[in-house]
Amino acid sequence: DAKTTQPNSMESNEEEPVHLPCNHSTISGTDYIHWYRQLPSQGPEYVIHGLTSNVNNRMASLAIAEDRKSSTLILHRATLRDAAVYYCILSPPLIIQGAQKLVFGQGTRLTINP
Amino acid sequence: GAGVSQSPSNKVTEKGKDVELRCDPISGHTALYWYRQSLGQGLEFLIYFQGNSAPDKSGLPSDRFSAERTGGSVSTLTIQRTQQEDSAVYLCASSLAGGSPYEQYFGPGTRLTVT
Repeated sequence: DAKTTQPNSMESNEEEPVHLPCNHSTISGTDYIHWYRQLPSQGPEYVIHGLTSNVNNRMASLAIAEDRKSSTLILHRATLRDAAVYYCILSPPLIIQGAQKLVFGQGTRLTINP
Repeated sequence: GAGVSQSPSNKVTEKGKDVELRCDPISGHTALYWYRQSLGQGLEFLIYFQGNSAPDKSGLPSDRFSAERTGGSVSTLTIQRTQQEDSAVYLCASSLAGGSPYEQYFGPGTRLTVT
């Protein structure tokens, strides 16, 4: 599995944007980029995923570098509830009707200051 | 709708005893996964089931661990002769393969403590 590198921790203020970086220099041409987060005492929660183009959903945006060797998860307006560990994960494409195990790294612990 | 549920939420057992952990996936989800999260190892994959295919058991740490999925729905993870290093939070997830298969929905976990 291709490896991802994330900062151990980041801190931001409430109502400000947060940019969480992820480096994946060994990504293959068909690997998808996934982001999950884990709030305290809960199971992980899907945030977003992408392949080449930037992606937006109700939770966040994913900006993918042109060479795909890095990506950034963007929380547009952080709230206290966004304090969590954020995981950047790579996986090969699913075969039709397939399933895909996730390989979690250590993630980035995001602290939000009121 | 109902999410992934797991039972029990907490389990304390003595070293050497067997334990069974249960997972009820989201209705209609064809893929079911088990992970565990411990302080020393982080979050690691154990096994997954997808439809009628043979399960991917590549993450099971030893032959004391086994899992089954009955009727394509409920799954049970069994740990035989528990050891202290088995203490962890065991997480179950499910996904709708063929729909949005990259979204895995996790349950709240079962915290296992082996004394």
